[in-house]
Amino acid sequence: DVKVTQSSRYLVKRTGEKVFLECVQDMDHENMFWYRQDPGLGLRLIYFSYDVKMKEKGDIPEGYSVSREKKERFSLILESASTNQTSMYLCASSLGAYNEQFFGPGTRLTVL
Amino acid sequence: KNQVEQSPQSLIILEGKNCTLQCNYTVSPFSNLRWYKQDTGRGPVSLTIMTFSENTKSNGRYTATLDADTKQSSLHITASQLSDSASYICVVKDGGNKLVFGAGTILRVKS
Repeated sequence: DVKVTQSSRYLVKRTGEKVFLECVQDMDHENMFWYRQDPGLGLRLIYFSYDVKMKEKGDIPEGYSVSREKKERFSLILESASTNQTSMYLCASSLGAYNEQFFGPGTRLTVL
Repeated sequence: KNQVEQSPQSLIILEGKNCTLQCNYTVSPFSNLRWYKQDTGRGPVSLTIMTFSENTKSNGRYTATLDADTKQSSLHITASQLSDSASYICVVKDGGNKLVFGAGTILRVKS
């Protein structure tokens, strides 16, 4: 079974703080993705990575950066958190670029 | 603009009843369409994938249909159970490998 884990289920941060969200997958998948999920908007792609140290911008990369130093780990970084980044963040991985994606449980981030 | 629209936004049904969720898309060119189920507090899990040549595909009590001509898909749930309460998300992949997500339908099954 593919397992995708995320470092925190719930996170509360202050405006201006630097925030790290970690994602780890255990199935040797090349591709990893970060989404945010907001009511009524569906999932929106922030960044994805198809290999170690490689990254591509998704649809809404502004205010975010990512890091992929190891194949199994993909980090999402909010350089200076803002209240409009309050959301559910979902990490996913897949074997091929757009094969079935396996999702983590999500991190609900609240920025005060 | 490539879009995926799902209806209804939310639905409440009694346990044991059937229901049908709709997904209309304008994505072109079309590659495939996938339905995900997302339980509360969990990430989405794939239920089924439909390619251009497939009209119907079943996964237990879930049956997905695809009409590529009208660009519509439906997910039919038979004999609903309390565990079917979840958000159902339709995702369409275009020919350029981009995924377009619908906003989801929230289903609540009550006893």
